[in-house]
Amino acid sequence: DAGVTQSPTHLIKTRGQQVTLRCSPISGHKSVSWYQQVLGQGPQFIFQYYEKEERGRGNFPDRFSARQFPNYSSELNVNALLLGDSALYLCASSLEGTAYQETQYFGPGTRLLVL
Amino acid sequence: GENVEQHPSTLSVQEGDSAVIKCTYSDSASNYFPWYKQELGKRPQLIIDIRSNVGEKKDQRIAVTLNKTAKHFSLHITETQPEDSAVYFCAASRDMDSSYKLIFGSGTRLLVRP
Repeated sequence: DAGVTQSPTHLIKTRGQQVTLRCSPISGHKSVSWYQQVLGQGPQFIFQYYEKEERGRGNFPDRFSARQFPNYSSELNVNALLLGDSALYLCASSLEGTAYQETQYFGPGTRLLVL
Repeated sequence: GENVEQHPSTLSVQEGDSAVIKCTYSDSASNYFPWYKQELGKRPQLIIDIRSNVGEKKDQRIAVTLNKTAKHFSLHITETQPEDSAVYFCAASRDMDSSYKLIFGSGTRLLVRP
């Protein structure tokens, strides 16, 4: 049974460019969350999607956006990239997206470097 | 705002000794507390979690305790082994607003010396 998958694994962009990261949740999981992990820090919550609807948003600028598709996969888009956007972007999935009742599983991440 | 503080930032122990990592959370509505282990270049892996309806949970060499009154929770690893060396993150979440938003601590780098 496959876990959470993300693509690409690594990405190099220049300032001002746009990037799209992709995530496929565990089969049967309807909730996807996105986190940003800057080197040496804990992951920071960006978005949660459940059944194609945004359920939660962290303290990130409008340059960050996401969506979820009918097959529950998700994309994270970042526009007008800044050097500070360089980080590991993690996707996590859970069944219904309610923390108290279930476990969230992380994907391997996409490492983004902005030059 | 919501915040989770984690201590210590680094911890070095001799193989076979115990390791304890402590976290304090600010949101009194938090009710779910997972611990993740992250090895270099890899994804965070859930090692144990606890929900607010219990005060302690154990899984072999790993245990977590929760003190809701003091708003802190701790990870205990006994009989440490070199393969326990990694960065450990605590996190807290509440689902009163039906979202799965984990607030992470800043991490503890654990080194187990052979």
